[in-house]
Amino acid sequence: AQSVAQPEDQVNVAEGNPLTVKCTYSVSGNPYLFWYVQYPNRGLQFLLKYITGDNLVKGSYGFEAEFNKSQTSFHLKKPSALVSDSALYFCAVRDYGGATNKLIFGTGTLLAVQP
Amino acid sequence: DGGITQSPKYLFRKEGQNVTLSCEQNLNHDAMYWYRQDPGQGLRLIYYSQIVNDFQKGDIAEGYSVSREKKESFPLTVTSAQKNPTAFYLCASTGRVGSPLHFGNGTRLTVT
Repeated sequence: AQSVAQPEDQVNVAEGNPLTVKCTYSVSGNPYLFWYVQYPNRGLQFLLKYITGDNLVKGSYGFEAEFNKSQTSFHLKKPSALVSDSALYFCAVRDYGGATNKLIFGTGTLLAVQP
Repeated sequence: DGGITQSPKYLFRKEGQNVTLSCEQNLNHDAMYWYRQDPGQGLRLIYYSQIVNDFQKGDIAEGYSVSREKKESFPLTVTSAQKNPTAFYLCASTGRVGSPLHFGNGTRLTVT
């Protein structure tokens, strides 16, 4: 069965420092991986995705993610954090049960950027 | 602007009452989804529909029902059979396989 794990409930980082939000996955085939961000009482916003190609994927708001097949990881990164990056981040993997875009989500990581 | 509209933003109901959450999209997407979000549990799939007049149960469909009579609309009914209905409900849609999901801004349902 497909699954995705976000091992950290919360990540704290100082403004201007690099940030990493971790994600590992388990799939039976080639993974389709996604990162979303959620601000309080709002829906999820798409940040970036990996389907195939370069292992380093660039997305919105200066975020990027590195796909590592051997470690089954897809960590979200940003070189310099902003206070406005503080939000809840979700990693997701496409569920291969049928020709759909059903996604399986991790439990989320709360990113707190201190000024 | 294209997008997904969920209404109402906040909904309060008494236990034992059915309630319907609205989801409308103007993105011309075939597929639509309902997720439930609870603190610390991520998002869990309730129902999804890939085409008009067809829908499938997700992982936590018990106590919920849906309809898909129009491409643009995918309403979710939370029935009195749902044991713990208080949650944040998110509707999403998508186009072709591999495309990201587009989410509405959610409905927060409180049942007392």
